[in-house]
Amino acid sequence: EIVLTQSPGTLSLSPGERATLSCRASHSFSSSYSAWYQQKPGQAPRLLIYGASNRATGIPDRFSGSGSGTDFTLTINGLEPEDFAVYYCQLSRTFGQGTKVEI
Amino acid sequence: EVQLVESGGGLVQPGRSLRLSCAGSRFTFDDYAMHWVRQAPGKGLEWVSGISWNSDGIGYADSVKGRFTISRDDAKKSLFLQMNSLRAEDTAFYYCAKDIEYRGSGYSTTGFDSWGQGTLVSVSS
Repeated sequence: EIVLTQSPGTLSLSPGERATLSCRASHSFSSSYSAWYQQKPGQAPRLLIYGASNRATGIPDRFSGSGSGTDFTLTINGLEPEDFAVYYCQLSRTFGQGTKVEI
Repeated sequence: EVQLVESGGGLVQPGRSLRLSCAGSRFTFDDYAMHWVRQAPGKGLEWVSGISWNSDGIGYADSVKGRFTISRDDAKKSLFLQMNSLRAEDTAFYYCAKDIEYRGSGYSTTGFDSWGQGTLVSVSS
């Protein structure tokens, strides 16, 4: 059973700054199965990135994903006010515990 | 735009059963694997179960194996989750989610591109 560890737990930033979120797997996994989601309070998660680096439909290009093997990264360039939320990484059926991006 | 609508949640006593439903629309339902994902209040996401596009592949999280059963009715464009022997730790919002991959399996996924609004299951005496 794969274990995903996201870091940091909370990221405190200001609008316009860059956010770098990390997701580390307990063992190597195909990047084809990696994804990132954004979740705001009271809402269902929204797919941002799949296949490690592919943006989902309608996702702005300030969101980008990278990584392979055991290390995956979500980068948000130029944080907008609506980007403050919780972000989850996923490798196939397993989710990370989440990173909260707060102002 | 894809639409997924869950129903069937509610308050139930430990040991009892509940059946969740998810109605899909605005996509070719029988071409996609479908999944259930849950989230305990204030906690993270947990994959519960998935079923392949043709029902040949089914997977369950260890935490629900032997108690929950996933199924689908493509004619009705619906996904189901039969939950038996419910426990307090099953309390969560249950989301129905569409697999992003065309004709994917039910036991692995490359991502969920559409989600329902969730239905709350509370297990308590």
